[in-house]
Amino acid sequence: DQQVKQNSPSLSVQEGRISILNCDYTNSMFDYFLWYKKYPAEGPTFLISISSIKDKNEDGRFTVFLNKSAKHLSLHIVPSQPGDSAVYFCAATGSQGNLIFGKGTKLSVKP
Amino acid sequence: GAGVSQSPSNKVTEKGKDVELRCDPISGHTALYWYRQSLGQGLEFLIYFQGNSAPDKSGLPSDRFSAERTGGSVSTLTIQRTQQEDSAVYLCASSSGRQVAFGSGTRLTVV
Repeated sequence: DQQVKQNSPSLSVQEGRISILNCDYTNSMFDYFLWYKKYPAEGPTFLISISSIKDKNEDGRFTVFLNKSAKHLSLHIVPSQPGDSAVYFCAATGSQGNLIFGKGTKLSVKP
Repeated sequence: GAGVSQSPSNKVTEKGKDVELRCDPISGHTALYWYRQSLGQGLEFLIYFQGNSAPDKSGLPSDRFSAERTGGSVSTLTIQRTQQEDSAVYLCASSSGRQVAFGSGTRLTVV
């Protein structure tokens, strides 16, 4: 039973355009959400996070949106760059502290 | 150290042998996680240590898997009687708050 779902295994975007990566969750006890980026043969690196008391958090080209009623969050990257090509993982945590990941979305940004 | 360190980076073992994977978390981090990523799959939670609390072992796939965290620091993940389906990248992570830092992983191949 997946608590964090990333339904798109892959996404291809043209350089300069917006990339939108989506994530859904089922556990209403989750109160903190994170996005990680992973290159091949490396560990995931933290990208951006959002607390459940907010609906938007922005950091440079990266913005995360949270819709609590829909149990949905999304990561927007604009403008997309070829170096953004990687696998993006959505993760969620609650008071128990455990961090649950989705299966990831492979983003390809084409020059 | 500056980051989460895992050793070995690669391990090839024969089916039926036991293996030990080591994780050195970031100094001062109270939480430590083990995940694994099988080929083409997402990050599968294995076990979570938080301070002196009993670990959350709910993700361990079988009783062949166990993990220890000595002195609240270094952790060892042990897989007994390895099977081919255990082949994966095993990732360790640590945190002192809600942002989790990952190591580069140990790639385990069972032949």
